[in-house]
Amino acid sequence: TQLLEQSPQFLSIQEGENLTVYCNSSSVFSSLQWYRQEPGEGPVLLVTVVTGGEVKKLKRLTFQFGDARKDSSLHITAAQPGDTGLYLCAVRETSYDKVIFGPGTSLSVIP
Amino acid sequence: DSGVTQTPKHLITATGQRVTLRCSPRSGDLSVYWYQQSLDQGLQFLIQYYNGEERAKGNILERFSAQQFPDLHSELNLSSLELGDSALYFCASTPPSGELFFGEGSRLTVL
Repeated sequence: TQLLEQSPQFLSIQEGENLTVYCNSSSVFSSLQWYRQEPGEGPVLLVTVVTGGEVKKLKRLTFQFGDARKDSSLHITAAQPGDTGLYLCAVRETSYDKVIFGPGTSLSVIP
Repeated sequence: DSGVTQTPKHLITATGQRVTLRCSPRSGDLSVYWYQQSLDQGLQFLIQYYNGEERAKGNILERFSAQQFPDLHSELNLSSLELGDSALYFCASTPPSGELFFGEGSRLTVL
């Protein structure tokens, strides 16, 4: 059983459209991170959310941490081809020093 | 450039062989994580070291081993290689803030 689930698994949209991807779990976390990975490269941190209900904005990207700190969403406004990549959520298991990643959402933005 | 260096970038070898992947963390980072990424398994946590000591272990096969040296570089040893071991292997280092900085990965192909 995956600790983290992400949906959708794949998403292909036209440039200029809006989209939301989700990261869900049955566990509660003290914090959650979102990373973006481009082909042939390692993941790069986008944001860390810590407080239940927290909303963070990074240009056209809006991240929200669920009130119960079990889930998170990433909303992209007016997607651009440069947003193409694999979006991964990650959490640190509280009892251990593991950082566990979700399976990711592969986003393709078509010009 | 994340500051994390991984070598080699590409490696092609045969089943049954043994390889060593090397990782140099960012200057000042004491913690090193190893991940395996394959198409069907996503980014899987293997093992984590902190200042030379093993801190956390994931689903790392017994054929795999790792260590972190006094100069903080780390090596991941993969032995008795099987076709299914073909994957991207990532190393990441982290400062106390908890952000993971990934290297560019080592792509292993087992023929």
